[in-house]
Amino acid sequence: QKEVEQNSGPLSVPEGAIASLNCTYSDRGSQSFFWYRQYSGKSPELIMSIYSNGDKEDGRFTAQLNKASQYVSLLIRDSQPSDSATYLCAVQRDGANSKLTFGKGITLSVRP
Amino acid sequence: NAGVMQNPRHLVRRRGQEARLRCSPMKGHSHVYWYRQLPEEGLKFMVYLQKENIIDESGMPKERFSAEFPKEGPSILRIQQVVRGDSAAYFCASSPPAGLVHFGNGTRLTVT
Repeated sequence: QKEVEQNSGPLSVPEGAIASLNCTYSDRGSQSFFWYRQYSGKSPELIMSIYSNGDKEDGRFTAQLNKASQYVSLLIRDSQPSDSATYLCAVQRDGANSKLTFGKGITLSVRP
Repeated sequence: NAGVMQNPRHLVRRRGQEARLRCSPMKGHSHVYWYRQLPEEGLKFMVYLQKENIIDESGMPKERFSAEFPKEGPSILRIQQVVRGDSAAYFCASSPPAGLVHFGNGTRLTVT
């Protein structure tokens, strides 16, 4: 079982729709969870962090965490073509200043 | 406030040569991480360093790869006797103590 799994994608949604990106993790000791966005040929950019069960909203982005189900998701409301990128889920086991373990990422395409 | 600085952006080496990748963390960041990304793959953790110390090298190949973060100057990832399979994007990231991890723009290594 992979440590961090994301749907293989790609995911295509029309402009204005809600994009739902999912991630599961295997290590129950994981404490911190992150979503990074990576445009083609560019570096990963941190867009969301979440540490406790429930929802965390930041603008058009909502991260959801369910530690019992070992599941974290990212919702993007009112999707824009500029949201087209690869989204990487990352998990950190031992709190701050420990390594991040990444999923393979899912490519999102927002159709105008 | 400059971000994480990596150089060179692109590096071409012939098989058997040495590759030296540099990373200057963000101001105030004392923790450095190196990741490798192969085409269509997620980010794979390599090594985590603090000044003059290797904290976690669980992702480093046992041979040919080494990393350092000296008291003065940038962190260096060194790959000796490169092979074609070393061709990848190498990303450096940094964080402050108990802080969020931010990535540099990466070094694209091509081994010919």
